Amino acid sequence: DVKVTQSSRYLVKRTGEKVFLECVQDMDHENMFWYRQDPGLGLRLIYFSYDVKMKEKGDIPEGYSVSREKKERFSLILESASTNQTSMYLCASSFGGTGANVLTFGAGSRLTVL
Amino acid sequence: GENVEQHPSTLSVQEGDSAVIKCTYSDSASNYFPWYKQELGKGPQLIIDIRSNVGEKKDQRIAVTLNKTAKHFSLHITETQPEDSAVYFCAASLGSSYKLIFGSGTRLLVRP
Repeated sequence: DVKVTQSSRYLVKRTGEKVFLECVQDMDHENMFWYRQDPGLGLRLIYFSYDVKMKEKGDIPEGYSVSREKKERFSLILESASTNQTSMYLCASSFGGTGANVLTFGAGSRLTVL
Repeated sequence: GENVEQHPSTLSVQEGDSAVIKCTYSDSASNYFPWYKQELGKGPQLIIDIRSNVGEKKDQRIAVTLNKTAKHFSLHITETQPEDSAVYFCAASLGSSYKLIFGSGTRLLVRP
């Protein structure tokens, strides 16, 4: 069964801490994504990567950065966590080309910033 | 840019009844419309999608319809079952663009 695995399901961090959210996919997908899910707002794209070491900003990149050193791994970094970054974070991946918008999601990482 | 509105935000139906969730989009150039289902504790999963050269698509108890003139599309679930209870998201994108714009979600509850 193909998978997108997010390393942490629940995290509690303090304001100002640096936070790493890790995501690994085993489908040899070219594209990887980080979304943020908030009630009433749906899913909003934070960052997208279409190849190793390549990244593009999504709709809400402020306060976040990403790293993709290997094809299967995509990390979301909060350099200095703030309370308004308390949310559910979803990683996803997809094939390139015509399959780019057919996403496979991980189970999510729920982050609470105190 | 594209904007997708989804209604209702919550929907409660009796087991066996039908459920309909509606979405409207703003960018007439959008031509790919997927629906995702998110069960409790899981990530969203693609359940059905439609492209703009098709007006309707069915897969067993679920169907999606698309009205390009009115810029809206709908998810229809017939003979609902308790396992259909979940949050459903619609989305829209242009061609094979990676950029999906999601609706705000509908929480469907199927009462036994």
